[in-house]
Amino acid sequence: EDQVTQSPEALRLQEGESSSLNCSYTVSGLRGLFWYRQDPGKGPEFLFTLYSAGEEKEKERLKATLTKKESFLHITAPKPEDSATYLCAVDGGGSQGNLIFGKGTKLSVKP
Amino acid sequence: ETGVTQTPRHLVMGMTNKKSLKCEQHLGHNAMYWYKQSAKKPLELMFVYSLEERVENNSVPSRFSPECPNSSHLFLHLHTLQPEDSALYLCASSQEIRREQFFGPGTRLTVL
Repeated sequence: EDQVTQSPEALRLQEGESSSLNCSYTVSGLRGLFWYRQDPGKGPEFLFTLYSAGEEKEKERLKATLTKKESFLHITAPKPEDSATYLCAVDGGGSQGNLIFGKGTKLSVKP
Repeated sequence: ETGVTQTPRHLVMGMTNKKSLKCEQHLGHNAMYWYKQSAKKPLELMFVYSLEERVENNSVPSRFSPECPNSSHLFLHLHTLQPEDSALYLCASSQEIRREQFFGPGTRLTVL
């Protein structure tokens, strides 16, 4: 059964304190891994798509990387406005359009 | 309007009511999705439409009935819901199946 596990569940950082979020997955055949950011009361906002091991994508203070078993979302020198829940989703090649989502990591950045 | 819009943003209904959620995408995409998001649970895919044809129905109870009249609009018709159906209902669209999905703001549904 396809599974996606995100860790930690919650992460509290001081402004400027860099860290990483983890997304571990078990799928029969990875077709794509997606990162989203979700603010309270809003829909998820698309950040990155990764397709193959070794691939990296960057956007401002965020950098996503992918291996054969997991993905990391690295946050460099975070600011309070980076506070949100970060969701990871995987297309495991199963049913059409069926992304498997993790439960998310809730990030809080204090000034 | 840009992106994906959803109406209403908030809905309170009794268990015997009938209501509908509306989603519209302004991105020219060919696929649309309904998701349910409950507290402490991952997003659950409910329905997938590609070029107005339903391609996925994830064992959703029949009290939820989707409708996709064209590639820009998606509805979720609700009837005789249960309190456990209270959740945030999200609509999303993508250029095609298996591409990155773009979400609307959601409808916060409360069933009394």
